[in-house]
Amino acid sequence: QKEVEQNSGPLSVPEGAIASLNCTYSDRGSQSFFWYRQYSGKSPELIMFIYSNGDKEDGRFTAQLNKASQYVSLLIRDSQPSDSATYLCAVNTGGFKTIFGAGTRLFVKA
Amino acid sequence: EAGVAQSPRYKIIEKRQSVAFWCNPISGHATLYWYQQILGQGPKLLIQFQNNGVVDDSQLPKDRFSAERLKGVDSTLKIQPAKLEDSAVYLCASSSGTDYGYTFGSGTRLTVV
Repeated sequence: QKEVEQNSGPLSVPEGAIASLNCTYSDRGSQSFFWYRQYSGKSPELIMFIYSNGDKEDGRFTAQLNKASQYVSLLIRDSQPSDSATYLCAVNTGGFKTIFGAGTRLFVKA
Repeated sequence: EAGVAQSPRYKIIEKRQSVAFWCNPISGHATLYWYQQILGQGPKLLIQFQNNGVVDDSQLPKDRFSAERLKGVDSTLKIQPAKLEDSAVYLCASSSGTDYGYTFGSGTRLTVV
């Protein structure tokens, strides 16, 4: 059973702090990794994707991938109350299969 | 570019009734997905189409769920008969390739009473 694990949270950080969201996956053959943001009552929205080991930065977001440890993370710098949402980690396990984690709820306190 | 269109937005039915959902993907996206998201859980893939062929339907409860994608564009997902545990949000998504992530529609919130 291929799995994607996330801490359900909630993760609470003060405004302006760095929020760190983590995800582990079980399939070593996984090739591509995605982070989606889902506001309450809304559908998921793609915010980042990463394919290679290391860091990938896009504005206030940084995705980090470590394939040896089967670990992917999302850092949100200068967190804002508008970042409060559930963050879903998704892993493409090869071919056409993408598995979603259950998500981590993030609260950014003003 | 226009997004993924889904309808209806909400549906309330009694158990054992049938229901159908419709999805129109982003133009040119060959891959279309139907996901079920139960409250507090991540989306679970029900079925994946590549053009009008089924790529993966391993988690589709085929005794009650069916889906089709005619002419490789629009898709419908049907549940017949519905059970209480089918209450969820049904999300349609499309992509131009599995390495590019998905664009989701607004979803259909189904309540079975």
